[in-house]
Amino acid sequence: QLQLQESGPGLVKPSETLSLTCTVSGASISRSSYYWGWVRQPPGKGLEFIGNIEYSGGSNYNPSLKSRVTISVDTSKNQFSLRLTSVTAADTAVYYCGKYNWNAFFDYWGQGTLVTVSS
Amino acid sequence: QSVLTQPPSVSAAPGQRVTISCSGSSSNIGKNYVSWYQHLPGTAPKLLIYDNNKRPSGIPDRFSGSKSGTSATLGITGLQTGDEADYYCGTWDSSLSAVVFGGGTKLTVL
Repeated sequence: QLQLQESGPGLVKPSETLSLTCTVSGASISRSSYYWGWVRQPPGKGLEFIGNIEYSGGSNYNPSLKSRVTISVDTSKNQFSLRLTSVTAADTAVYYCGKYNWNAFFDYWGQGTLVTVSS
Repeated sequence: QSVLTQPPSVSAAPGQRVTISCSGSSSNIGKNYVSWYQHLPGTAPKLLIYDNNKRPSGIPDRFSGSKSGTSATLGITGLQTGDEADYYCGTWDSSLSAVVFGGGTKLTVL
């Protein structure tokens, strides 16, 4: 059974960089036709797509975050990561990683991790 | 403001049927597949419907999806108290080149 688990700091200071890692178990992250992605949910708000990546590196990012986001894959550790630079309080959210499918849906999700941006 | 529009809330009695609408445009729902998710606070979202009307393994046939033009609908029959959750639609937006979600609909089973 494929499982995903987010990890990273729960508190980030304004203007700094948010870094999260998603560890995949039960499947190889470099399997052909598998894609991976990140979604977040600010407190009291709905889901927001951050971006996705193919194991070979091809990616798509939400236009509203594109200038600050990088998603990368580490096949040796079966992990993929999220970097969001110059964070503000508006980036406070529960961040989910997931397995993304080409028809634009996520069929497996991590449990989510709350990241708070505060000094 | 979400790209896809959903009603903020719907409610119905146990055993009844409810539908949740998701309205978009020609650049998203009009030309791409729609998915639906069930989300309970503090848990991972669960995929209910993909490719407009397909159910993943393990999702009961009480849940159904349909699409017409630039709108999609999630139907839930035989409502149970355990169905109380937030429901989100999602699809690809060809103009934005990104996945877009609806604002979510809170289902209350009275």
